[in-house]
Amino acid sequence: NAGVTQTPKFQVLKTGQSMTLQCAQDMNHNSMYWYRQDPGMGLRLIYYSASEGTTDKGEVPNGYNVSRLNKREFSLRLESAAPSQTSVYFCASSRQGISYEQYFGPGTRLTVT
Amino acid sequence: EDQVTQSPEALRLQEGESSSLNCSYTVSGLRGLFWYRQDPGKGPEFLFTLYSAGEEKEKERLKATLTKKESFLHITAPKPEDSATYLCAVLAGIYNQGGKLIFGQGTELSVKP
Repeated sequence: NAGVTQTPKFQVLKTGQSMTLQCAQDMNHNSMYWYRQDPGMGLRLIYYSASEGTTDKGEVPNGYNVSRLNKREFSLRLESAAPSQTSVYFCASSRQGISYEQYFGPGTRLTVT
Repeated sequence: EDQVTQSPEALRLQEGESSSLNCSYTVSGLRGLFWYRQDPGKGPEFLFTLYSAGEEKEKERLKATLTKKESFLHITAPKPEDSATYLCAVLAGIYNQGGKLIFGQGTELSVKP
């Protein structure tokens, strides 16, 4: 099993450009999450999907949109990138909701210039 | 305000020198606490879940304990391969009624041979 996979691994954008980060899991988990990790800030939840067909805002949703494409895939879209969105983005999944341990992908390092 | 604080921020040990990492929290309605390990350039890897005060979990050289105000991650006779950042995350509140997972900022552990 690959676990949680993310693409791309690295990305450089110019301010105002858009992009979509892709995430897929093969563990048959119901819940999926997008986090950002910044120095000194810890992991912060952007959006989550408790189950297929549902999405909810997390702590820092502004500037992002998500799509739960199916049970396996959960994408994060930046419509108009800003330098403040420079960060490392992690996708995670869990069996059912935040009460269960989460399994993380390898991350996407995004730089917005 | 719900808060999770990890200390120290960084810890340097000699191989074989046992020590403890601390995760203290002030949250309303603790439902569980998770420990993760994160290697540089990788996503967090799940280690333990603790649900109630007095609970302990062990895995190789690691032992996690939980009280009503804090959790400790004890590292016995560490090896260089234990070098990583250790994250704790507190599960608080009621899921779908404001429940949330709050991550600490991590302790960066370095074990020298």
